[in-house]
Amino acid sequence: DGGITQSPKYLFRKEGQNVTLSCEQNLNHDAMYWYRQDPGQGLRLIYYSQIVNDFQKGDIAEGYSVSREKKESFPLTVTSAQKNPTAFYLCASRGTLGQETQYFGPGTRLLVL
Amino acid sequence: LAKTTQPISMDSYEGQEVNITCSHNNIATNDYITWYQQFPSQGPRFIIQGYKTKVTNEVASLFIPADRKSSTLSLPRVSLSDTAVYYCLVGDRKNTGFQKLVFGTGTRLLVSP
Repeated sequence: DGGITQSPKYLFRKEGQNVTLSCEQNLNHDAMYWYRQDPGQGLRLIYYSQIVNDFQKGDIAEGYSVSREKKESFPLTVTSAQKNPTAFYLCASRGTLGQETQYFGPGTRLLVL
Repeated sequence: LAKTTQPISMDSYEGQEVNITCSHNNIATNDYITWYQQFPSQGPRFIIQGYKTKVTNEVASLFIPADRKSSTLSLPRVSLSDTAVYYCLVGDRKNTGFQKLVFGTGTRLLVSP
């Protein structure tokens, strides 16, 4: 997990509700990422941010939104427009000074009531 | 991005050496090969990364032939706790800018007593 925290560990969403997943890192990494993982599948990129106040859509951004107001934080909001939000959500970060790989947080499991 | 192909599953016994081979025929000159390990309901954990020949750390070895079209992750003397999914990824190891990791479905390793 290495300095990346995600909360909560489990999150329940009601129909029509927006929910926000937290991701914080104390690694001084510039880049942060959000992935979604469905059962038995690999990870798919939702959004990424290379620097504060900037972020870009990944492969499956529809129904999600993010913000990057601080270097340490990259929260993900799952909006009501995301019709199939049940999944395991993973946040990662990556440095840019000889730190070539991404390091992942422990994940948040989102369930729909 | 180079596509990777790896076995869906492998079985082993405690104490044996396990070799997981990954095929990446379209690997580019600047691409590095990275392996992650993932336990259920946890974030992927970085294992090892290499460019060519052999890389070894305290956890595993990575063998890369001269043509770099494949790579083999070697886990010495596996234990029950090595039961996990192992992902092989290929990507540009730039120190700045966006790094995209493309996760396949990985190899499910089951270690039995």
